[in-house]
Amino acid sequence: EIVVTQTPLFLTVTPGEPASISCRSSQSLLDIYDGNTYLDWYLQKPGQSPQLLVYMVSYRASGVPDRFSGSGSGTDFTLKISRVEAEDVGVYYCMQRLKLLAFGGGTKVEIK
Amino acid sequence: QITLKESGPTLVKPTQTLTLTCTFSGFSLNTRGVGVAWFRQPPGKALEWLALIYWDADTRYRPNLKDRLTITRDTSKNQVVLTMTNMDPLDTAAYYCVHRAYFGSSSYYKDWGQGTMVTVSS
Repeated sequence: EIVVTQTPLFLTVTPGEPASISCRSSQSLLDIYDGNTYLDWYLQKPGQSPQLLVYMVSYRASGVPDRFSGSGSGTDFTLKISRVEAEDVGVYYCMQRLKLLAFGGGTKVEIK
Repeated sequence: QITLKESGPTLVKPTQTLTLTCTFSGFSLNTRGVGVAWFRQPPGKALEWLALIYWDADTRYRPNLKDRLTITRDTSKNQVVLTMTNMDPLDTAAYYCVHRAYFGSSSYYKDWGQGTMVTVSS
């Protein structure tokens, strides 16, 4: 079973400033057969279903602003927001899907 | 446009069996690589994956719930059904169905239903 750990649990950010969330998996998420790394990022805004931000580490989903970017490899991944906006509040989750599917515990982002 | 909608009871009693239906449109579960997954989220807690069914009827389950879950599909009705036996108050959660898209050698879970809240209480 792959365990996914996110940090921090909470993040308070100033609008216009950058923010970063980390995600670590208990084993590499690289699929040696197809070369893809299966780590995705979601944002769940209050009262809404989760929305896909980034898939396979660094591919932004359609309609996602370019201030969101994903990076990383192996077991360590990062979601960066270049300039946080008020609409970015919510809980961010990373999810591995190399072996079955599993989420990190979430990072709650609030605005100062 | 892809849409998914969950339906089922909002309240079930402990030990009962929960049956949830996901009715979708905008894609076919007969297309290679496509799938539908179920997730849930207890109030105030993190998301959890429960089950997945692929276009070829292959299924996957969350290991610690495998004995209680069954996922099936009816491609003629564009529906996927999740059953969970022996419900417990700890199963109280919002339940979501999600489309697994497949394109080239890539895939993602982008389109989610609105979710349905299920409360387990006597």
